[in-house]
Amino acid sequence: GIQVEQSPPDLILQEGANSTLRCNFSDSVNNLQWFHQNPWGQLINLFYIPSGTKQNGRLSATTVATERYSLLYISSSQTTDSGVYFCAVGNAGNMLTFGGGTRLMVKP
Amino acid sequence: KAGVTQTPRYLIKTRGQQVTLSCSPISGHRSVSWYQQTPGQGLQFLFEYFSETQRNKGNFPGRFSGRQFSNSRSEMNVSTLELGDSALYLCASSLSSGGYEKLFFGSGTQLSVL
Repeated sequence: GIQVEQSPPDLILQEGANSTLRCNFSDSVNNLQWFHQNPWGQLINLFYIPSGTKQNGRLSATTVATERYSLLYISSSQTTDSGVYFCAVGNAGNMLTFGGGTRLMVKP
Repeated sequence: KAGVTQTPRYLIKTRGQQVTLSCSPISGHRSVSWYQQTPGQGLQFLFEYFSETQRNKGNFPGRFSGRQFSNSRSEMNVSTLELGDSALYLCASSLSSGGYEKLFFGSGTQLSVL
């Protein structure tokens, strides 16, 4: 099956800092999504981005499908950005393979 | 528009029992997927239903089963519970089963097997 690796595994930032999270995957995919899991366990969909670039407020994402990686950018981080960020990929409908996640802590 | 609703929020069972979890998708969504989240294995795909038909199945034993009703609501069942089945079970919905749009998750059911 597809392998998904996320880096870094842990990240500590001061409020206001910027960060880049990376997702590498082992095979071609037609489905790639980024999620944020908040401290209460709720998974929030950030982006559906199998290719190209998208932006939503302070967050943006870029997927380079031919090179099998995706990047999530967080600018001007806030304490509410804390949690775990997951990249999930697939090529069979909604059957997604999740990466191990990046655990982000933003300090005030 | 209401989000994905999962019930119950918490469950405590003992080994050997069976359990049924429920999921109501976002109104208009016809695809429902189930995922298991554990500290050791992370998030793993269980199965997906669309129009009452199972479309995809993950690598889980036959003790894990599911179904979807005509109103798109879904249930999953775990029989003969084992300690290792303790996990957060997450349900997700989307408009279709093609994998061409966002997946929306519910808050999950936290199952503890004693």
